[in-house]
Amino acid sequence: GAVVSQHPSWVICKSGTSVKIECRSLDFQATTMFWYRQFPKQSLMLMATSNEGSKATYEQGVEKDKFLINHASLTLSTLTVTSAHPEDSSFYICSARVLGIDSPLHFGNGTRLTVT
Amino acid sequence: RKEVEQDPGPFNVPEGATVAFNCTYSNSASQSFFWYRQDCRKEPKLLMSVYSSGNEDGRFTAQLNRASQYISLLIRDSKLSDSATYLCVVNPGYSSASKIIFGSGTRLSIRP
Repeated sequence: GAVVSQHPSWVICKSGTSVKIECRSLDFQATTMFWYRQFPKQSLMLMATSNEGSKATYEQGVEKDKFLINHASLTLSTLTVTSAHPEDSSFYICSARVLGIDSPLHFGNGTRLTVT
Repeated sequence: RKEVEQDPGPFNVPEGATVAFNCTYSNSASQSFFWYRQDCRKEPKLLMSVYSSGNEDGRFTAQLNRASQYISLLIRDSKLSDSATYLCVVNPGYSSASKIIFGSGTRLSIRP
């Protein structure tokens, strides 16, 4: 159980375009989802916490107008990278937890974004 | 001081060796603890939860010492497939919205 699906797995786009990444919890409801970014050979970095039915909470240094998060249902959160630039090229991973303080995070399979 | 600190690695050990990773956390009120493994260019995957009494899953043993705020992972009879980055993960809070904190990871490389 506790499967998180992320789509697409990889995307290549031109500079200036926007890219939408979807994250779905397949067999559980997630009022909260988390979006991470990871550059090569670096640690996971939490970008934002996505809250169903309300605004996302962004970490310091993450531009909310550039990384738009929408969490319209209990099973779907989307991250849109707006006006992407080459420096946005990275591995984006979403995650969610089943309710309960001892439950671990379950990750989507990640989206590798390359902006040319 | 980082909230979660791990051995920096990399660890390079021969197949069949026993290897141990350590992790310390700063928030004494932290609620739950996990070890994840992450393969190159992949998402992290849960390896095991860590319980106060210590727990074992095959060749893997995890221990928690709340007094010392210390977590460990022991891998016995290491296999080539154990090569990965191991992430120490701490949940500081009570709700499922609590931001889980990741260590920076320890790279393990098993050589034939």
